[in-house]
Amino acid sequence: DTAVSQTPKYLVTQMGNDKSIKCEQNLGHDTMYWYKQDSKKFLKIMFSYNNKELIINETVPNRFSPKSPDKAHLNLHINSLELGDSAVYFCASSQIKGTEAFFGQGTRLTVV
Amino acid sequence: AQSVAQPEDQVNVAEGNPLTVKCTYSVSGNPYLFWYVQYPNRGLQFLLKYITGDNLVKGSYGFEAEFNKSQTSFHLKKPSALVSDSALYFCAVRDVGNTPLVFGKGTRLSVIA
Repeated sequence: DTAVSQTPKYLVTQMGNDKSIKCEQNLGHDTMYWYKQDSKKFLKIMFSYNNKELIINETVPNRFSPKSPDKAHLNLHINSLELGDSAVYFCASSQIKGTEAFFGQGTRLTVV
Repeated sequence: AQSVAQPEDQVNVAEGNPLTVKCTYSVSGNPYLFWYVQYPNRGLQFLLKYITGDNLVKGSYGFEAEFNKSQTSFHLKKPSALVSDSALYFCAVRDVGNTPLVFGKGTRLSVIA
């Protein structure tokens, strides 16, 4: 059983397209996150959702829109993709404060 | 705002020798500290955490970390390195409340046979 699963694992698309990445967790956690890992391996928080509500939205272009249909799912939709969006996107979840986050395997997005 | 510094981009160690990967942190209150490992083309795997209690915490795969409040450090250690420990290691911190983890830039560990 995969705790945090993301699909797809790889995504290659052309500039200007719109794409979505899906994330699901079966841990019963109430908080989910999206992180971006760039080519230098820096990990940066993008969004944080708690019980389906957005609680943190870092300085991310509004082309990125997270959607949480329920607390087990947090999807990431990206409009008008740009070359600079190429990165690995990680979904994660956690329970109460102070506990570790569990990460998905990542989605490698390549914009050509 | 909380932050983490990993001063070394790369650490090289011979197999069988002890290893240390350094981390210092900055938070406004009591820190919650974590270490994660990332193998090539994989997600982040949790190794260990410090929340409260003993300053020496033990984690997965024989790793341990020492919390030092006066030096604001949380260095990762292992008594005897294995080639299979070669990977990218991240230190992370979160403040009180349900805040996301803030990661350091990562340290690449290379264990040479």
